Amino acid sequence: DAGVIQSPRHEVTEMGQEVTLRCKPISGHDYLFWYRQTMMRGLELLIYFNNNVPIDDSGMPEDRFSAKMPNASFSTLKIQPSEPRDSAVYFCASSLSGTGANVLTFGAGSRLTVL
Amino acid sequence: AQRVTQPEKLLSVFKGAPVELKCNYSYSGSPELFWYVQYSRQRLQLLLRHISRESIKGFTADLNKGETSFHLKKPFAQEEDSAMYYCALSRRGATNKLIFGTGTLLAVQP
Repeated sequence: DAGVIQSPRHEVTEMGQEVTLRCKPISGHDYLFWYRQTMMRGLELLIYFNNNVPIDDSGMPEDRFSAKMPNASFSTLKIQPSEPRDSAVYFCASSLSGTGANVLTFGAGSRLTVL
Repeated sequence: AQRVTQPEKLLSVFKGAPVELKCNYSYSGSPELFWYVQYSRQRLQLLLRHISRESIKGFTADLNKGETSFHLKKPFAQEEDSAMYYCALSRRGATNKLIFGTGTLLAVQP
């Protein structure tokens, strides 16, 4: 398994543009998480899904952020419109329910720069 | 509310010196604690979890419920230990919000 796959790895965009980040979890994992990493705030949980259903989106900063998981092998995080303060590394992670439920496998991250 | 505090953003030690990365948490229920590590140019990965009671790469961490702490320790630091370390908390026995601290960058000097 190639692990959790995220794309793009790097994105540079201008303020006001729409940004879509993509994630393919590990096959068979039923939990998917989106985190944002910044120097000041560390790793913040944005939203997580179980069996493709959003369970908790209380970490999503504002309405400009949205996330979907149309099937077990794909999720998107969308920012529209983007702002400079959204610049961060966005991580996707997945896990398998049961004893390893909180053992997350992370993707390589998508580094977003909004100018 | 769940909260994880890592008071040090940067910890610099010399090779061979003892290391202690501090982690304090607040949670009213029964917590499950983890340490995750991110080496340079590598993905964030699990280092150890308190229920396993393991020593990984020479690191240990003991859950102290009285002090609500889960400090990460290693008696003799190595240069390859240089990395970003995150303490994380979840509700025991459930997949729930895995809440991370702000992280501590460990720099081991030669």
